[in-house]
Amino acid sequence: ETGVTQTPRHLVMGMTNKKSLKCEQHLGHNAMYWYKQSAKKPLELMFVYNFKEQTENNSVPSRFSPECPNSSHLFLHLHTLQPEDSALYLCASSQLAGASYEQYFGPGTRLTVT
Amino acid sequence: LAKTTQPISMDSYEGQEVNITCSHNNIATNDYITWYQQFPSQGPRFIIQGYKTKVTNEVASLFIPADRKSSTLSLPRVSLSDTAVYYCLVGGVRTGGFKTIFGAGTRLFVKA
Repeated sequence: ETGVTQTPRHLVMGMTNKKSLKCEQHLGHNAMYWYKQSAKKPLELMFVYNFKEQTENNSVPSRFSPECPNSSHLFLHLHTLQPEDSALYLCASSQLAGASYEQYFGPGTRLTVT
Repeated sequence: LAKTTQPISMDSYEGQEVNITCSHNNIATNDYITWYQQFPSQGPRFIIQGYKTKVTNEVASLFIPADRKSSTLSLPRVSLSDTAVYYCLVGGVRTGGFKTIFGAGTRLFVKA
């Protein structure tokens, strides 16, 4: 138990569906992240939020829309996804958004797009 | 951005010391080097972090040469439970925001 929870743990959706991934951290951190982990590929940083403000968008397609209503919650809204978007989506948090701060990862959401 | 290169996989036996090297030739001045461990169906877990020279904690050591173009994670006396994927992460602040690059990971398999 890392103090970072993600729901759902598994999600299957069609290309025309709209769904959301939820992440919650109970660590009092101020930074939250979304990562994508595809099979046989390195972890890819998608978005970074620091004190609820988005500070990083790593050229992520607009079909992925993040939302950070407060420092404890992070959402990833999904719409009109493609099969190649199937992956493990990991949420992480750290004290602040910076490389010197240890990141705590959630267990991930396994997404399958059909 | 500092791309990282690690061996794809390594095998070891219980009780041995394992050294995993990560290359990061384009590391920037303010980049830190961090190593994470990941078990199947779990998120990565922090192991150790350093900026230069040597860092040691209760589970590992991290060796960083003066030029910082590589780093070596050292796991003393591995056990079967150390079988996992180990990621080298180089990250820091860039113009335009915070950047983090994970390596492809090294799959360590510890045998009895």
